[in-house]
Amino acid sequence: AQSVTQPDIHITVSEGASLELRCNYSYGATPYLFWYVQSPGQGLQLLLKYFSGDTLVQGIKGFEAEFKRSQSSFNLRKPSVHWSDAAEYFCAVGATGYQKVTFGTGTKLQVIP
Amino acid sequence: GAVVSQHPSWVICKSGTSVKIECRSLDFQATTMFWYRQFPKQSLMLMATSNEGSKATYEQGVEKDKFLINHASLTLSTLTVTSAHPEDSSFYICSARVGQSTEAFFGQGTRLTVV
Repeated sequence: AQSVTQPDIHITVSEGASLELRCNYSYGATPYLFWYVQSPGQGLQLLLKYFSGDTLVQGIKGFEAEFKRSQSSFNLRKPSVHWSDAAEYFCAVGATGYQKVTFGTGTKLQVIP
Repeated sequence: GAVVSQHPSWVICKSGTSVKIECRSLDFQATTMFWYRQFPKQSLMLMATSNEGSKATYEQGVEKDKFLINHASLTLSTLTVTSAHPEDSSFYICSARVGQSTEAFFGQGTRLTVV
């Protein structure tokens, strides 16, 4: 069975600082990987996804993520965080694209001035 | 991107009553809709998958008779929580997609509180 671990429940960064959110997955074959963002009272928005090809994936809002098979990781990064990035971030893994997607427990990001 | 609207955003109901939550795809026809439940400080748990015109497929441990899902049209799916109890209080969120290999778009979720 596939699973996702987000080891950081809560992260606080200063505005303008760099950000890295960790995600580790467990899946037997090549996974389909996603990062979603959820703002308060809002649904989930897809930031980026990895299906195949280049392991460094660019997403919306200046985010990127790198798939590292050897480490079973798909960490999300942003070089300079903005106050509007404060939200909850979910990593997810799917066995066949968008079907049967399993979500991690989320990382809540707080941005301080 | 495509828009999925979920209604209501929040609802409070008395124990023993039923509550219906609607999920609409506003600008596309959703062949498949997913219903998730999110407990505080936990991840989204898939409850069921519904295809238009077919019976929903429920995940293990989800009571079919308690969580009734109807996907009668390509733009509307409903989740009815029957005989609600306080333990059903949660955040319910739907997502919808076109076809098998396209992105699923999420609604804004419904906060259900059963008192």
